[in-house]
Amino acid sequence: KAGVTQTPRYLIKTRGQQVTLSCSPISGHRSVSWYQQTPGQGLQFLFEYFSETQRNKGNFPGRFSGRQFSNSRSEMNVSTLELGDSALYLCASSLGGFLVAKNIQYFGAGTRLSVL
Amino acid sequence: AQSVTQLGSHVSVSEGALVLLRCNYSSSVPPYLFWYVQYPNQGLQLLLKYTSAATLVKGINGFEAEFKKSETSFHLTKPSAHMSDAAEYFCAVSYSGGGADGLTFGKGTHLIIQP
Repeated sequence: KAGVTQTPRYLIKTRGQQVTLSCSPISGHRSVSWYQQTPGQGLQFLFEYFSETQRNKGNFPGRFSGRQFSNSRSEMNVSTLELGDSALYLCASSLGGFLVAKNIQYFGAGTRLSVL
Repeated sequence: AQSVTQLGSHVSVSEGALVLLRCNYSSSVPPYLFWYVQYPNQGLQLLLKYTSAATLVKGINGFEAEFKKSETSFHLTKPSAHMSDAAEYFCAVSYSGGGADGLTFGKGTHLIIQP
């Protein structure tokens, strides 16, 4: 079974631009979560989608948004990029459902975004 | 609110020596606990998880962890380190309240294996 696929692997953008990252979950997984990883802040939860609905959101500004499609694929968008948005963005998928806390999250290799 | 503290941002051990990576959690409700490993330029791979069954959890690559409620700890151990164990290790917690809160991660511990 194929793992979580994130595209692209690397991105370079300039301040003020916007960017869209893509995540294809493991087949059969209905939950997709996004995380930001930086050397200073570590791994931080962005948001989670299940059945095309955002169920929870971390403490990030509204410039960070996402969506999920009917095939469970998800996209994350960051508008008006800032230098501090440079990070590794990780997507994770799980089966989802109630009591999701115990569900294992499987991570993709990430998209490394550099904002110049 | 839940939180995770990993003691030691860097841990260095000799090849063949015991590996001990420390993790303490804070959670107002029974937690689910996870250890993930991250190799350079890769995503996170699950090593093991605790979900309220046995307190001693065995994972992949010879790692295990013991859940100690009285100490709010979930330390990761491996009897004999191998060069291939060099990586970043993350402890994470979620809680059993249902809903869709994401994992809360510790800051990570970089494991260095000395030949």
